[in-house]
Amino acid sequence: QVQLVQSGSELKEPGASVKVSCKASGYSFSNYGINWVRQAPGQGLEWMGWINTDTGNPTYAQGFTGRFVFSLDTSVSTAYLQITSLKADDTAVFYCARVEFDHGYDFWGQGTLVTVSS
Amino acid sequence: DIQMTQSPSTLSASVGDRVTITCRASQSISTWLAWYQQKPGKAPSLLIYKASALESGVPSRFSGSGSGTEFTLTISSLQPDDFATYYCQQYYTQYTFGQGTKLEIK
Repeated sequence: QVQLVQSGSELKEPGASVKVSCKASGYSFSNYGINWVRQAPGQGLEWMGWINTDTGNPTYAQGFTGRFVFSLDTSVSTAYLQITSLKADDTAVFYCARVEFDHGYDFWGQGTLVTVSS
Repeated sequence: DIQMTQSPSTLSASVGDRVTITCRASQSISTWLAWYQQKPGKAPSLLIYKASALESGVPSRFSGSGSGTEFTLTISSLQPDDFATYYCQQYYTQYTFGQGTKLEIK
């Protein structure tokens, strides 16, 4: 069955970096894009961008350029979200989600809580 | 960028009620719209795609309609499991979520 399994919660100090993983299984990884979504505490869903798992080409939403990097390791069917120079307001749950053309996000990871605090 | 506006932000209803949530796009998005349900501490789950297509496994009490700039999600008879937050999402140009509608027990 299709699964997206994300790495565990992270506690980081301001200025540090974090790398969140999203491991896919149960389907052909390169056939579906991976999107990243941020949800700050008590807030709504915010689209961060997506990565084409066939070409590796990332697309970043406004507000998520510079410190945010999407990458892949296709040998292990895994997508990554790296955030550098962390700030307190980066504290959020980050979700990966599979996207199928014209179908929306049909499978989601369980979410990874990143807490930025000194 | 396309903006998505949901109304109401909060909705109080009782089991058995029929409820409707509205989502408006800042420009026409044809039928490139999805609806998601999110329960506290959980990832969202897809309910409706292409504005009115029911995702596999989703109960038939959920339905979606609309095209262009105005869309609705209707739950025909609320069940206890339906109290959650609902989001619309356009995927006509990149992706944008609405701000969410929290469905509470009256």
